Amino acid sequence: QSALTQPASVSGSPGQSITISCTGTSSDVGGYNYVSWYQQHPGKAPKLMIYDVSNRPSGVSNRFSGSKSGNTASLTISGLQAEDEADYYCSSYTSSSTLVVFGGGTKVTVL
Amino acid sequence: QLQLQESGSGLVKPSQTLSLTCAVSGGSISSGGYSWSWIRQPPGKGLEWIGYIYRSGSTNYNPSLKSRVTLSVDRSKNQFSLRLTSVTAADTAVYYCARAGDYGDYTVDYWGQGTLVTVSS
Repeated sequence: QSALTQPASVSGSPGQSITISCTGTSSDVGGYNYVSWYQQHPGKAPKLMIYDVSNRPSGVSNRFSGSKSGNTASLTISGLQAEDEADYYCSSYTSSSTLVVFGGGTKVTVL
Repeated sequence: QLQLQESGSGLVKPSQTLSLTCAVSGGSISSGGYSWSWIRQPPGKGLEWIGYIYRSGSTNYNPSLKSRVTLSVDRSKNQFSLRLTSVTAADTAVYYCARAGDYGDYTVDYWGQGTLVTVSS
């Protein structure tokens, strides 16, 4: 069982917006602004999409945005495109000795 | 452009030791401010952070694996390595080497392509 909880799947039609949640505790998501989001296409390594809750690395589309409220972080993909179909993982710093925890992943399907 | 490349045995027998190396190119492992990690992903499952090492050799391990894991860095070869002892089928996974630092200590910005390690007799 993963330390952070994500929905197993989320789907949307092209052009729509979807939101993926990532729920933790006050020891990780809620306590620090060190939440990251990664995109992973089948057979590929993950790619950083969001860091520090809401910041985008250079080169990442502004259709991807992040936010946080309490112990839950969220990734929103607007203007959904076929290429966005992938697995998405959240991660967070944690005050436990683990230091880094991941969510179980969310499969995004573009209908 | 930084590149990371994993290498090592793809098949390990139960109770034996898994050994992987990550060759770093396009940048120096001796550059300050970065940590070098191993992360694994069992088939069809999520990501699990194994541990990280700094250029100084200081390390931090996932407590669930700490008794079996050793990370090391070889600055002369610009590479770092993972050893995982007493493996079982539960250690079967794609193993990624990775770097963190440009976007925070705990945010991976570069990943290797991953290498599948199967534990089986």
